[in-house]
Amino acid sequence: DGGITQSPKYLFRKEGQNVTLSCEQNLNHDAMYWYRQDPGQGLRLIYYSQIVNDFQKGDIAEGYSVSREKKESFPLTVTSAQKNPTAFYLCASSTPSGRAVNEQFFGPGTRLTVL
Amino acid sequence: GDSVTQMEGPVTLSEEAFLTINCTYTATGYPSLFWYVQYPGEGLQLLLKATKADDKGSNKGFEATYRKETTSFHLEKGSVQVSDSAVYFCALTANTGFQKLVFGTGTRLLVSP
Repeated sequence: DGGITQSPKYLFRKEGQNVTLSCEQNLNHDAMYWYRQDPGQGLRLIYYSQIVNDFQKGDIAEGYSVSREKKESFPLTVTSAQKNPTAFYLCASSTPSGRAVNEQFFGPGTRLTVL
Repeated sequence: GDSVTQMEGPVTLSEEAFLTINCTYTATGYPSLFWYVQYPGEGLQLLLKATKADDKGSNKGFEATYRKETTSFHLEKGSVQVSDSAVYFCALTANTGFQKLVFGTGTRLLVSP
């Protein structure tokens, strides 16, 4: 079955440590996204990538980094510079702009807690 | 910039009641409109969508009509079930250039037996 996988489901980190969240898709989608979800605030875009080896900052990129070395993978690193990293992180993918309206497909999410 | 406003929750209903969740938007041009649903502890799933004015999206008994004159995309269901309990997000995306999704803050629906 095609879909998006995120691992781990729950992640705990000590303050001052970097941590990397995994996102893999087998939908053959070109575009991938990372969102952060906080209670009562909806989803906010962290980074997005429209093609391999290219990515752009979203609305709240500070304290985060990404890479896109393979079409299937778009890992997100939460660095120690992120002041308030405890949140639910969602990865998504879609067909690129210019084709049919790009419905975004979401993974199950990773809940990060900083201790 | 583009934005989406949803009614605040939680919305609490009894099983078989009629559901309306209001959504209005501000956007330049002609956006596409979406409703996503999030069940507890899970990611988002697309519930329905509409890409132009007067389009009606529908799925699993839910419906929403793209109303350009009132810039609205209200979600309705004639008879809710306990299994519909979830958080519902209204969202839009521009139809030109990079199609960034802009989300509302979400509305929690609680359905009791």
